[in-house]
Amino acid sequence: DAGITQSPRHKVTETGTPVTLRCHQTENHRYMYWYRQDPGHGLRLIHYSYGVKDTDKGEVSDGYSVSRSKTEDFLLTLESATSSQTSVYFCAISESRNRGQRNTEAFFGQGTRLTVV
Amino acid sequence: GENVEQHPSTLSVQEGDSAVIKCTYSDSASNYFPWYKQELGKRPQLIIDIRSNVGEKKDQRIAVTLNKTAKHFSLHITETQPEDSAVYFCGLDSGGSNYKLTFGKGTLLTVNP
Repeated sequence: DAGITQSPRHKVTETGTPVTLRCHQTENHRYMYWYRQDPGHGLRLIHYSYGVKDTDKGEVSDGYSVSRSKTEDFLLTLESATSSQTSVYFCAISESRNRGQRNTEAFFGQGTRLTVV
Repeated sequence: GENVEQHPSTLSVQEGDSAVIKCTYSDSASNYFPWYKQELGKRPQLIIDIRSNVGEKKDQRIAVTLNKTAKHFSLHITETQPEDSAVYFCGLDSGGSNYKLTFGKGTLLTVNP
């Protein structure tokens, strides 16, 4: 499973409440990503990180913030959840520099199903 | 930007036929083009990828072709089987050192027995 874990796996929350999703990796991969998956929209990039404390926006970043204070963890926060943020959220990691080779394959977590009511 | 258009959105084929999914992009700096397969209720997984210095790559029944001049790349699945039924996503990177990875909207492939 490439050592990537998302938590929680399922969450139901109320509109207006803050929510934080966690992505944890044990692979020492440099890049980490948050996507949301909705029918008809595929995988849309929310935010990504290219190193500790280095993050940038993706296609659908409004209403979301991220933090990466250490290599292993990439947190996605919905400051004030809205019903439009009901979705399945996937974290992904890529680029291991182990053994001197650059491996760009992205590995996905199991996903988090978030429902905002 | 790094927009990638994927077509078709759905594809239905008979078992044994071939399936082709095409993606077009606009950023000429992109140099890495992966394809992911996502089975129902599961996470996307890489099935094949290609770099910009290569025109074609094969892995058994799966192949990817890249035309950098025209800015499109395609996934080819030959001798399709029911277990090939899934959603397929094309992806591309942004080039440069920050490696922004974006995906098309996906193609739902159904292989009918």
